[in-house]
Amino acid sequence: ETGVTQTPRHLVMGMTNKKSLKCEQHLGHNAMYWYKQSAKKPLELMFVYNFKEQTENNSVPSRFSPECPNSSHLFLHLHTLQPEDSALYLCASSQDVAGGPGETQYFGPGTRLLVL
Amino acid sequence: KQEVTQIPAALSVPEGENLVLNCSFTDSAIYNLQWFRQDPGKGLTSLLLIQSSQREQTSGRLNASLDKSSGRSTLYIAASQPGDSATYLCAVSPLEGGSQGNLIFGKGTKLSVKP
Repeated sequence: ETGVTQTPRHLVMGMTNKKSLKCEQHLGHNAMYWYKQSAKKPLELMFVYNFKEQTENNSVPSRFSPECPNSSHLFLHLHTLQPEDSALYLCASSQDVAGGPGETQYFGPGTRLLVL
Repeated sequence: KQEVTQIPAALSVPEGENLVLNCSFTDSAIYNLQWFRQDPGKGLTSLLLIQSSQREQTSGRLNASLDKSSGRSTLYIAASQPGDSATYLCAVSPLEGGSQGNLIFGKGTKLSVKP
């Protein structure tokens, strides 16, 4: 496997369910990100991890809980979600988040989430 | 608050045409600007990254320009092909919060190139 992978690719869950999204990067990067892409809205940054430490939480509701056990893996734990949380959730990684000026982020294919 | 706008929202052209996609941003205090491509149901692929000190970048049939003072960028695609059909996203890395990897995205332009 190369690049950034995400599982599952599709997920349907009820509002009372608990599920987790998984992201894995095979690029040796130190920074990982969660984004939300809703219909008709711009891509929104949710969380940033740098060297396993969370450095950004973009005012995300507590029903979304990230976990970064190591620099290669990133999880997004979901519980008691709302229908408006239905979206494409994208994971990305970059070599070093502090290298802002020239840093490119590499994106996974995303998880399409539907909350019923 | 930085906002990124892309015009048009959708564009359909016949194969072989040259085309221009537009991106504007409200705050010129940026590290860089990037153009991404997104295929349906897929993640994003970085096409071009322009540093704030640069005026343009080229990759194959793609050319991106940046006018930071006016808050504008264009993506020029030469001799378009059906395989260019995708959504093109513009994103800026703001100086404030940019060091945390925060990219501000536009809503994208959905391009369709007809054979």
